[in-house]
Amino acid sequence: GAVVSQHPSWVICKSGTSVKIECRSLDFQATTMFWYRQFPKQSLMLMATSNEGSKATYEQGVEKDKFLINHASLTLSTLTVTSAHPEDSSFYICSAEIRTYGYTFGSGTRLTVV
Amino acid sequence: GENVEQHPSTLSVQEGDSAVIKCTYSDSASNYFPWYKQELGKRPQLIIDIRSNVGEKKDQRIAVTLNKTAKHFSLHITETQPEDSAVYFCAAPKVPDKLIFGTGTRLQVFP
Repeated sequence: GAVVSQHPSWVICKSGTSVKIECRSLDFQATTMFWYRQFPKQSLMLMATSNEGSKATYEQGVEKDKFLINHASLTLSTLTVTSAHPEDSSFYICSAEIRTYGYTFGSGTRLTVV
Repeated sequence: GENVEQHPSTLSVQEGDSAVIKCTYSDSASNYFPWYKQELGKRPQLIIDIRSNVGEKKDQRIAVTLNKTAKHFSLHITETQPEDSAVYFCAAPKVPDKLIFGTGTRLQVFP
């Protein structure tokens, strides 16, 4: 149980284009989803928290106009990287907290901007 | 906010030896302390966790200890095997629920 499905698993896009990453909770309702970014050989850095039906909250230093987060339903949260640049190339991963269980993670999206 | 420090950044051990990784957190309200193993390009995999109402938890070769007074917790792997080689992350919640990760430890177990 408590599965988060994340798509796509990898994507290559051209500079200046936008990319949307989806995270879907399959067997539970996620009122909150956490979005992380991980550069090679580094830790997972929390970017933002998406809340169903309200605005996302962003961590310090994360551009909210560049990383658009939408959490329109209890089972779907999306992260859109707008006007992507090569420095946005990274591993993006979502997570949801399951009370009394812990946290469950999506499988991650490897984004490469060329 | 929560700050999680993790040491060492790299750790090399001989197969069969023990490995210990330590983490320190800053938010005294944190009450959940997981450890994850991550293989390249994959999601973090929970290997053990502990809640603040206990001081130690063990699962076969893996154990976690928690010292709430000192605000640190440690991962102990005994009888290490080559397949234990991976990157390990500790984490603690920025209360109430944002999980903040440590900087990671690359463990190498040599046969």
